[in-house]
Amino acid sequence: QSVLTQPPSASGTPGQTVTISCFGGNSNVGVEPVSWYQQLPGAAPKLLIYSNDQRPSGVPARFSGSKSGTSASLAISGLQSEDEADYYCASWDASLRAQVFGGGTKLTVL
Amino acid sequence: QLQLQESGPGLVKPSETLSLTCTVSGGSIRSSDHYWAWIRQPPGKGLEWIGNVFYSGSTYYNPSLKSRVIIIEDTSQNQFSLRVNSVTAADTGVYYCARQRFVPQWDGFDIWGQGTMVAVSS
Repeated sequence: QSVLTQPPSASGTPGQTVTISCFGGNSNVGVEPVSWYQQLPGAAPKLLIYSNDQRPSGVPARFSGSKSGTSASLAISGLQSEDEADYYCASWDASLRAQVFGGGTKLTVL
Repeated sequence: QLQLQESGPGLVKPSETLSLTCTVSGGSIRSSDHYWAWIRQPPGKGLEWIGNVFYSGSTYYNPSLKSRVIIIEDTSQNQFSLRVNSVTAADTGVYYCARQRFVPQWDGFDIWGQGTMVAVSS
């Protein structure tokens, strides 16, 4: 049971926009920055979004993050076949004094 | 550019101690803005944060693992290490080391090692 809640799966067709949600609480998402990670099969996770909505250099603008209250979202526009991967959200939990992850969302490009 | 590389045994017997080292290259572990973390992933499952360490030795641990885990830094070798005691099959998985910014707030893990698979089996 993860502290942050994500849908286990999502899907879309090439060119579409897909949104993945991440629900937390007042001790984590509600007060701490959210980050998002992409994990391609057999690879290490890669930072996609930090500080809720900031993209590291090299991450395409098709990936965007947002946060409102205790929930956050990752949007992927212009979906491509290479976007098929697992996506995780994460945040610090001020009460637990620990990093917490969402359970992950498997994105399928149909 | 800064890179992280995990190393250690790929097989550990039940009840024994799992020991891994993360070597930092292309930069210093003595960063005032970053903590250094261990994260693991059981086969077919999601990411689990184990804990992290600052170059001064300050640490934070996952409450569910705290009684069995220790993370230490070695600034002279530009490394940090993980020990998990009394392992069981549930500790099997890929172990990653990563860098995390914590100034001004705890934020993303921006650099990851490639990961190392550890199996717990007799």
